[in-house]
Amino acid sequence: EAGVAQSPRYKIIEKRQSVAFWCNPISGHATLYWYQQILGQGPKLLIQFQNNGVVDDSQLPKDRFSAERLKGVDSTLKIQPAKLEDSAVYLCASSLERERSEQYFGPGTRLTVT
Amino acid sequence: QKEVEQNSGPLSVPEGAIASLNCTYSDRGSQSFFWYRQYSGKSPELIMFIYSNGDKEDGRFTAQLNKASQYVSLLIRDSQPSDSATYLCAVKGWRAAGNKLTFGGGTRVLVKP
Repeated sequence: EAGVAQSPRYKIIEKRQSVAFWCNPISGHATLYWYQQILGQGPKLLIQFQNNGVVDDSQLPKDRFSAERLKGVDSTLKIQPAKLEDSAVYLCASSLERERSEQYFGPGTRLTVT
Repeated sequence: QKEVEQNSGPLSVPEGAIASLNCTYSDRGSQSFFWYRQYSGKSPELIMFIYSNGDKEDGRFTAQLNKASQYVSLLIRDSQPSDSATYLCAVKGWRAAGNKLTFGGGTRVLVKP
């Protein structure tokens, strides 16, 4: 079974530029999550999708971050414009729709904002 | 008070010893508890989950849950150098939509040969 795929793996941009990350979840996983992990901290949930609907985006900085999952499979997370404090690893995870389903993470995208 | 708290470490243990990691959580209604292992530069990898009070064993790992005291722990028996990593505790609160998890900051474990 293929795991969660993410791209790119690394990205370096200057502040005020925009960037987009892509995620393809495990086949059959209806729920998709985007996390931000700052060095030395645990992952923080940014947004959670169930199929193509948003379940939770309470911690997403909506003035600069956006995410979509148009066909209920792949998802894109965008930052525009980026700030220095956005430097982090952006992790995508997926899980089955059922209650108490475990989450499985992709390899992440390491973003450096200079 | 943080929702999920862990000692950041590092927790240094000799090879072959037992590593004991603790995690406390603030939401008394939390339902599900997970332990992830994260090697440096890698993404979190699920190693254990526990839903009911008591112990759950899987190989060299044992998860312990005490809902009354609001803590969950992870024991690693016969620690190996390959166990050196950061261990993340994650909790699903009872009000959490879907399967939303709140993560602790992680405990770094160093197993010395």
